[in-house]
Amino acid sequence: DAGVIQSPRHEVTEMGQEVTLRCKPISGHNSLFWYRQTMMRGLELLIYFNNNVPIDDSGMPEDRFSAKMPNASFSTLKIQPSEPRDSAVYFCASSRGEKLFFGSGTQLSVL
Amino acid sequence: SQELEQSPQSLIVQEGKNLTINCTSSKTLYGLYWYKQKYGEGLIFLMMLQKGGEEKSHEKITAKLDEKKQQSSLHITASQPSHAGIYLCGAASGGGADGLTFGKGTHLIIQP
Repeated sequence: DAGVIQSPRHEVTEMGQEVTLRCKPISGHNSLFWYRQTMMRGLELLIYFNNNVPIDDSGMPEDRFSAKMPNASFSTLKIQPSEPRDSAVYFCASSRGEKLFFGSGTQLSVL
Repeated sequence: SQELEQSPQSLIVQEGKNLTINCTSSKTLYGLYWYKQKYGEGLIFLMMLQKGGEEKSHEKITAKLDEKKQQSSLHITASQPSHAGIYLCGAASGGGADGLTFGKGTHLIIQP
């Protein structure tokens, strides 16, 4: 199995631009999670899906953030418009139970 | 909400020495997970503890969960350069698959 696949690995964009992060979970996993990691706040859960349905998005910082999971093998996290304070590493993780399997992350820099 | 406090925040250890990282929870832990993160990479699962007093080992890493299920420790024996990275503890909220809450991590540096 290839594991959780995220793209892109690195994204540099200018303030105000739209950013889309992509995730392919491990086949057979029914839960998908988006996390954000910063030095100051550590690893924060943004949103998670169960069977493609958003269950808890209370960690999404603002309306500028949105996430979708149109099918069991694909999810996106969109930031529109992006701001410098959104700069962080964004991780996607999937699971079939409590144990999470993480992707390699997307390093986002908003200038 | 559950909060996890890790200590120390960072640790520099000479190669070959032993070390311990602690994780303390504000609430009873239903499941405690240890992950390792190499710089610039994702998190790799190390071990999961569920029962009070439980202890698990993998190679030179041993993790324990105290009887009250509010504190866990990760012990590395005879540290090697490959042990360098960020160690994070994560806790399940109560049995459901609704994600893990993580501590801020312990940065471990191994000096040759």
